[in-house]
Amino acid sequence: AQTVTQSQPEMSVQEAETVTLSCTYDTSESDYYLFWYKQPPSRQMILVIRQEAYKQQNATENRFSVNFQKAAKSFSLKISDSQLGDAAMYFCAWQGGSEKLVFGKGTKLTVNP
Amino acid sequence: DSGVTQTPKHLITATGQRVTLRCSPRSGDLSVYWYQQSLDQGLQFLIQYYNGEERAKGNILERFSAQQFPDLHSELNLSSLELGDSALYFCASSVGAGWGETQYFGPGTRLLVL
Repeated sequence: AQTVTQSQPEMSVQEAETVTLSCTYDTSESDYYLFWYKQPPSRQMILVIRQEAYKQQNATENRFSVNFQKAAKSFSLKISDSQLGDAAMYFCAWQGGSEKLVFGKGTKLTVNP
Repeated sequence: DSGVTQTPKHLITATGQRVTLRCSPRSGDLSVYWYQQSLDQGLQFLIQYYNGEERAKGNILERFSAQQFPDLHSELNLSSLELGDSALYFCASSVGAGWGETQYFGPGTRLLVL
């Protein structure tokens, strides 16, 4: 079964600094998609970024970028110029041929002023 | 605002009872997914409907059932509720049923079983 592992239950960063959240996954499929979702205290799940496994180029969305290492099955999220509003739970998710999302346990990010 | 709506926002009920959670997908989306988020199990996929038909099933208990109506809204029915069913239930929607489709989540329904 596919699994997604987020090894950092909690992380903290100073405002304006950069932080990287780790995610590894296990799959035997060659084509799949990876996502990072943000869950602020409101509990809403918000899509941050999406990566297609067949694309070697790392996805970026403004201050958010990923480091996708397919051979290592690693998909880390880098947040640059961290803002107070970035404080949230971040979930890494994998999607293969079955279309359902498989989520990691999440990383709680604290942003210190 | 994702465009996905869920009602009610909160629900408090007793063990043994039955509840219905409702979801309206984004305009134009044909797929609806249900997920359960609990402290011990994390976020787990329950079931997916596409254009009224069940398309995929995950870790959904037999006490739970769902359906998608002709107007594409979906309902998740939870019966014979147990304390362990207390969780946040999310609905998500996507345009199609193919993999790679981005799923947009609703605000969730928080269920508390006493």
